[in-house]
Amino acid sequence: ELKVEQNPLFLSMQEGKNYTIYCNYSTTSDRLYWYRQDPGKSLESLFVLLSNGAVKQEGRLMASLDTKARLSTLHITAAVHDLSATYFCAVDIIETSGSRLTFGEGTQLTVNP
Amino acid sequence: ETGVTQTPRHLVMGMTNKKSLKCEQHLGHNAMYWYKQSAKKPLELMFVYNFKEQTENNSVPSRFSPECPNSSHLFLHLHTLQPEDSALYLCASSPTLGFASVNYGYTFGSGTRLTVV
Repeated sequence: ELKVEQNPLFLSMQEGKNYTIYCNYSTTSDRLYWYRQDPGKSLESLFVLLSNGAVKQEGRLMASLDTKARLSTLHITAAVHDLSATYFCAVDIIETSGSRLTFGEGTQLTVNP
Repeated sequence: ETGVTQTPRHLVMGMTNKKSLKCEQHLGHNAMYWYKQSAKKPLELMFVYNFKEQTENNSVPSRFSPECPNSSHLFLHLHTLQPEDSALYLCASSPTLGFASVNYGYTFGSGTRLTVV
């Protein structure tokens, strides 16, 4: 059974600081996703990582993937309050019958002024 | 609006009621999914439909009954629910699954916040 673990689950940081969220998964995966969720809202897709060594950046967020270590990271640079949200990683396995996303527990990020 | 529309946005129902959640997408996707998001738990996959055929039922109790009349619409019929079924129910869709689907991705709806009283 595929397991996806994120840490930390809760993160409180000051504006301007840097931090990294980690996502470990237990079996070989085809794709890894990062999503953002604001309270009461749906999931917003941030990044899709397709291959070993993939790195993607958007604004203050950068995601990377190490398929050999089964590890993805989401790095936050110079955090701002607007980044406060819950961040999920999800692992995608494609099978002949279809595909399925398995999610981590989520990291609740609070950026304090 | 993400391209996946869910109705209603909020639903309060008694344990003896019967209600339905609706999901609609016009993205040309052929796979649709129901997820449950409970407080303090990871999102749980409930059902998967690929080209209107159910390909996965993730050990979901029979009080939840999905229906997929076509690739654009997905329903979740609810009856005799329990208070622990209160959660955010998210619908998602994705393109046809293929061997060379590079631009593969999932689009999520805004969800239905269900409260069972």
